[in-house]
Amino acid sequence: KNEVEQSPQNLTAQEGEFITINCSYSVGISALHWLQQHPGGGIVSLFMLSSGKKKHGRLIATINIQEKHSSLHITASHPRDSAVYICAVRSRFGNEKLTFGTGTRLTIIP
Amino acid sequence: DGGITQSPKYLFRKEGQNVTLSCEQNLNHDAMYWYRQDPGQGLRLIYYSQIVNDFQKGDIAEGYSVSREKKESFPLTVTSAQKNPTAFYLCASSIDGRGLTYGYTFGSGTRLTVV
Repeated sequence: KNEVEQSPQNLTAQEGEFITINCSYSVGISALHWLQQHPGGGIVSLFMLSSGKKKHGRLIATINIQEKHSSLHITASHPRDSAVYICAVRSRFGNEKLTFGTGTRLTIIP
Repeated sequence: DGGITQSPKYLFRKEGQNVTLSCEQNLNHDAMYWYRQDPGQGLRLIYYSQIVNDFQKGDIAEGYSVSREKKESFPLTVTSAQKNPTAFYLCASSIDGRGLTYGYTFGSGTRLTVV
């Protein structure tokens, strides 16, 4: 079992829909990251969370430490939101390296 | 603007040749990282460096080598010993070795194809 599981793997939605991407992890963490990877391959860091909720524009990220679960929400989705969204966790133990999920491919249709 | 520059974006090499991927940052970050991305898999850590003249192996270091002679530069050499070198390679940096304060900055990646 992977330490970081994302769902769904693929998501297609109509423009304007509310999007939710989920991330579950199995280790104790010090932080969770949400990343966005565009078709060209470059990655942008969206959020870094250790508790609660963060909001930036139309993006909202939440984390429940007790349940080892995080969600990324996109309100009023737009075709430019089409990308791969990656969840990564930093272990609280050992060398605190990042462990990445395999990503959720989001496609927003106009 | 500060950021990470990876070059080239696409690279083709013949099997058996060593190849070096460039990663430069002007963010004054102490820590730098190399990741490999394969289809259907999460990013995997190849090497990381928390300070100049020091680096550590990640999870999949075999067949790769790095150097950190300057704070802003962390080149990755893919050697002929790497059995499956064709992949997408991403460089990242963080202000400190733990990425706790401001997170990570990623480059745009290099897609290496070995034929």
